[in-house]
Amino acid sequence: AQSVTQLGSHVSVSEGALVLLRCNYSSSVPPYLFWYVQYPNQGLQLLLKYTSAATLVKGINGFEAEFKKSETSFHLTKPSAHMSDAAEYFCAVSEGGSGNTGKLIFGQGTTLQVKP
Amino acid sequence: DADVTQTPRNRITKTGKRIMLECSQTKGHDRMYWYRQDPGLGLRLIYYSFDVKDINKGEISDGYSVSRQAQAKFSLSLESAIPNQTALYFCATSDWQTNTGELFFGEGSRLTVL
Repeated sequence: AQSVTQLGSHVSVSEGALVLLRCNYSSSVPPYLFWYVQYPNQGLQLLLKYTSAATLVKGINGFEAEFKKSETSFHLTKPSAHMSDAAEYFCAVSEGGSGNTGKLIFGQGTTLQVKP
Repeated sequence: DADVTQTPRNRITKTGKRIMLECSQTKGHDRMYWYRQDPGLGLRLIYYSFDVKDINKGEISDGYSVSRQAQAKFSLSLESAIPNQTALYFCATSDWQTNTGELFFGEGSRLTVL
């Protein structure tokens, strides 16, 4: 069975600093992995996804994530934080990988605070 | 207009009341889902439906029921609401043809049970 663990429920960075949000997964099959962002009072929107192509995935708003099979990780990064990046971020794995059942399993979420 | 629309967006009710949350989508997707979000727990799957005649329980279906009235409509009911069902509820859709599991979310329905 698949599972996702996000390390750190709250991350605080200064504006302009590197953003690093950690995600580790467990999967018995090659996984499909996702990062979603939730701005206050809004639904979740897709930042980026890994579906077994390039291991370095670029998403919207300057975010990227690298799939590392040996470390079972899919950490999210952005070189320079902006105030507008303050939000909650969720890592998720598609149950069953490429043979997915259509269900996503979510991590607990990480709240990113950006200080001026 | 949003591709996935949830109503109501906010609802306050009392213990024991019946509540229905509705979801409609214009994306033409066959798969629809109801998730519940609680602080520190992420999103947990309540029910999902792969088509009108296919409805499945998720991780936390107890106390909930669903109805898939049409391909575009999927409603969630709480027959007798209790305070620990206070949460933010999300409807989502996906397209089996892309086969990635990517979900498209509504804006959420915040339910408070007093």
